[in-house]
Amino acid sequence: QVHLVQSGAEVRKPGASVKVSCQTSGYSFALNYMHWVRQAPGQGLEWMGWINTASGDTNYAQKFQGRVTLTRDTSVTTVYMELTRLRSDDTAVYYCARDFYYDESGGLDVWGQGTMVTVSS
Amino acid sequence: DNVLTQSPGTLSLSPGERATLSCRASQSVNNKFLVWFQQKPGQAPRFLIYGASSRATGIPDRFSGSVSGTDFTLTISRLEPEDFAVYYCHLYGGLYSFGQGTKLEIK
Repeated sequence: QVHLVQSGAEVRKPGASVKVSCQTSGYSFALNYMHWVRQAPGQGLEWMGWINTASGDTNYAQKFQGRVTLTRDTSVTTVYMELTRLRSDDTAVYYCARDFYYDESGGLDVWGQGTMVTVSS
Repeated sequence: DNVLTQSPGTLSLSPGERATLSCRASQSVNNKFLVWFQQKPGQAPRFLIYGASSRATGIPDRFSGSVSGTDFTLTISRLEPEDFAVYYCHLYGGLYSFGQGTKLEIK
C-alpha cells in the first residue's frame, strides 16, 4: 500500500526558513514525480512545484521561484520541500502528493497527511 | 493562465439527492488533464476523477465526470452522508491550477 508520511508541524519567525519532509513507501520511488501543494487556513489549494524523483529535475510555480527548493534522497525514498524568507502569508498546511500518469492522463493520486507551518513573530 | 471557475460556491442538498458541480476553464483544455478532488475538514484531498471522466481506484460509481467544451461537471447520483465535503477541480499539467472549490453541505 502506498504511503506518504510527512514531518510534523513547524513554527517559524518571519524571514526564517522551513524544510518539510515526505517519506514514501509501498511503490517504486523513482517512477513517480512528487508535487507539493499548500492550503492556507480556510482557503483553497495552491500548487507549488514538482520534482522528478529519478533525475532530481524540478519545476516551480512562478510565485515561489527563488524561495522554494525541492530535493530528494533516493536512499531513504524521501522528498523535501524547503521554503525560505518566510512571511505570515506562508502560514498553511503543506502537502506532498504523488504524480500519477496513465494512458496520456494523470493527476495527484496519493497525498501525505499534511504539515502545518505557522509563521508568526 | 488557464483559470478554473467552479460553481456554485455552496450547494445545499439532502442525502439521496443528485448533486451537479461545475468547473469552467477560461481557455481550451485537454480533457485528459482535468481532475476532481474531494476534501473533508482536516483531511488531505482525495483523488476522485481523472481524465475528466475516469474514476480513480476505489471511487464509488455514484461519482461521475463529464465534459462539454470547456465546461466540466462532477455528478454525484445519490448523495450519501459521507459525500458532504468540498470539491475541487484541477488542471493536471502546465500551471497545475485549481478551482476555488464548491462546498457541498447538508440541507
